[in-house]
Amino acid sequence: DAGVIQSPRHEVTEMGQEVTLRCKPISGHNSLFWYRQTMMRGLELLIYFNNNVPIDDSGMPEDRFSAKMPNASFSTLKIQPSEPRDSAVYFCASSEDRGVDNSPLHFGNGTRLTVT
Amino acid sequence: GNSVTQMEGPVTLSEEAFLTINCTYTATGYPSLFWYVQYPGEGLQLLLKATKADDKGSNKGFEATYRKETTSFHLEKGSVQVSDSAVYFCALSDQRGRRALTFGSGTRLQVQP
Repeated sequence: DAGVIQSPRHEVTEMGQEVTLRCKPISGHNSLFWYRQTMMRGLELLIYFNNNVPIDDSGMPEDRFSAKMPNASFSTLKIQPSEPRDSAVYFCASSEDRGVDNSPLHFGNGTRLTVT
Repeated sequence: GNSVTQMEGPVTLSEEAFLTINCTYTATGYPSLFWYVQYPGEGLQLLLKATKADDKGSNKGFEATYRKETTSFHLEKGSVQVSDSAVYFCALSDQRGRRALTFGSGTRLQVQP
């Protein structure tokens, strides 16, 4: 099993540019999560999908952020336009929803975004 | 709402020392509790979990007991190694239908030879 795959590993962009982060969950997992990690705020849930449907996007900071999951094996997180305060490590995670709340999350290695 | 509070780090220990990282939580109902570990440049990995009161999760010499009366889930290890140096996150599940986890702020552990 290749695990959760994220790309790119690092992204450096200028303020105002569009940024797209990509995630391939573990095959067979039907829940997918996007988290953001910063020194100041720790790990924050941005959005999560179940069976490709967004269930909770209350953590998305503002309209500049959007996420899609067009099929079970792919998700994107887009920031447009990007700002320096968006600089963080963005993690994608997936889990197998077995109808209980103790299914562990499997994390990718993250995308380190730097907006200058 | 749900929240997790961890002791602030960094925690610096010598090899073979005893480790405790405190974690307390606030939640409605009976959440499942988790410890995750993050090594440099990597994502978080599940270390152990407990799903009900008085359960003890254990893995790789680490242990944590779900204490409902004190709403705590402290992480312990009897003898740490240099390879245990990492950031440790306590987390809980949300039993209101969400499958996402709420994480603590993380505690950095540094083990010196």
